[in-house]
Amino acid sequence: NAGVTQTPKFRVLKTGQSMTLLCAQDMNHEYMYWYRQDPGMGLRLIHYSVGEGTTAKGEVPDGYNVSRLKKQNFLLGLESAAPSQTSVYFCASSTGQGNTEAFFGQGTRLTVV
Amino acid sequence: AQSVAQPEDQVNVAEGNPLTVKCTYSVSGNPYLFWYVQYPNRGLQFLLKYITGDNLVKGSYGFEAEFNKSQTSFHLKKPSALVSDSALYFCAVFYYGNNRLAFGKGNQVVVIP
Repeated sequence: NAGVTQTPKFRVLKTGQSMTLLCAQDMNHEYMYWYRQDPGMGLRLIHYSVGEGTTAKGEVPDGYNVSRLKKQNFLLGLESAAPSQTSVYFCASSTGQGNTEAFFGQGTRLTVV
Repeated sequence: AQSVAQPEDQVNVAEGNPLTVKCTYSVSGNPYLFWYVQYPNRGLQFLLKYITGDNLVKGSYGFEAEFNKSQTSFHLKKPSALVSDSALYFCAVFYYGNNRLAFGKGNQVVVIP
């Protein structure tokens, strides 16, 4: 019963490096989300997807790209990491009907030095 | 645009006393409202939701919340707090206009033994 799995759990990057965070869900959910969590800021939506092959920008999309090539996977990419992207990243998925709850992964703690 | 406000940063309550965590929202139309809880170094867990119907909804771990349309509020309550309720609580709203699930900044709840 995996639910939502995020890979990796921790990562340290140097400024300018790139990386991809992977989110996988096994619940056949249509909607998937990427959030970042920063102290005092709550969860801010980076990008989201309402179905395979679709993506949309959230509140804070700059510096990130996403892809949803397969329904079960939602990838978050940082092309050129900056210290301002130091954060905890959470992926979530839901059925997409709006009236059902979202399920969250355990988070990825990213530090950019 | 939709938004969620959680006006207090931290809520301190003595064990056994009633607990209230406040949430107000701003969204056009009928909102779907949620409460989530986050324990240290964990992802968010669903507590309860309001979709339609009875304004008082009951959820996990003895929590309940009251939807008040005229005050655009959705306050979380528990009649008797436990030390184990100490955690970070998030209010969220889903809006069909943009298919987004937006979160408030969170409230740290500290239950004092």
